[in-house]
Amino acid sequence: KNEVEQSPQNLTAQEGEFITINCSYSVGISALHWLQQHPGGGIVSLFMLSSGKKKHGRLIATINIQEKHSSLHITASHPRDSAVYICAVYGNKLVFGAGTILRVKS
Amino acid sequence: SQTIHQWPATLVQPVGSPLSLECTVEGTSNPNLYWYRQAAGRGLQLLFYSVGIGQISSEVPQNLSASRPQDRQFILSSKKLLLSDSGFYLCAWSVRQGMSYTFGSGTRLTVV
Repeated sequence: KNEVEQSPQNLTAQEGEFITINCSYSVGISALHWLQQHPGGGIVSLFMLSSGKKKHGRLIATINIQEKHSSLHITASHPRDSAVYICAVYGNKLVFGAGTILRVKS
Repeated sequence: SQTIHQWPATLVQPVGSPLSLECTVEGTSNPNLYWYRQAAGRGLQLLFYSVGIGQISSEVPQNLSASRPQDRQFILSSKKLLLSDSGFYLCAWSVRQGMSYTFGSGTRLTVV
């Protein structure tokens, strides 16, 4: 079993829909990262969380340390949100999930 | 402001040829530097990290090596490429391990 599991692997949504991507992990961590990878390959850091909730624009990230689970929400999704979303956790090293491929159709 | 430069963006190399990918960071001192590889359909895998000049830690034994000749320069090398070295290579830096990471734009390497 991978240390970091993301679901779903693929997600297609209509513009305007509320989107949730989930991340579960099995190791003790001090921080969890959500990253966005666009088709060209470049990766952008969206959030770093150690507890609670963070919001940036239409993006919201939450983490439940006891349940070892985090979610990334996108409100009012837009085609430009189409990308791969990657969860990564830091215990004594950064371990990445395989990513969720999101496609938002107009 | 801090920036990270990685080049080249794409590279096609024959089997057995050498490799040198370069990554430089601007706007910060003594960063932690990382090389990651992303194989098709798989998550990012840490290859090497460095906490200082000349200090390299290898996470996965393989055909590659890394060097840090200057504080803000990180180089990924191979003497003889294998087909299995194909993939997407990303350089990244952070102030400390576990803290916010900034990634380069990546190099897509195809070994033919």
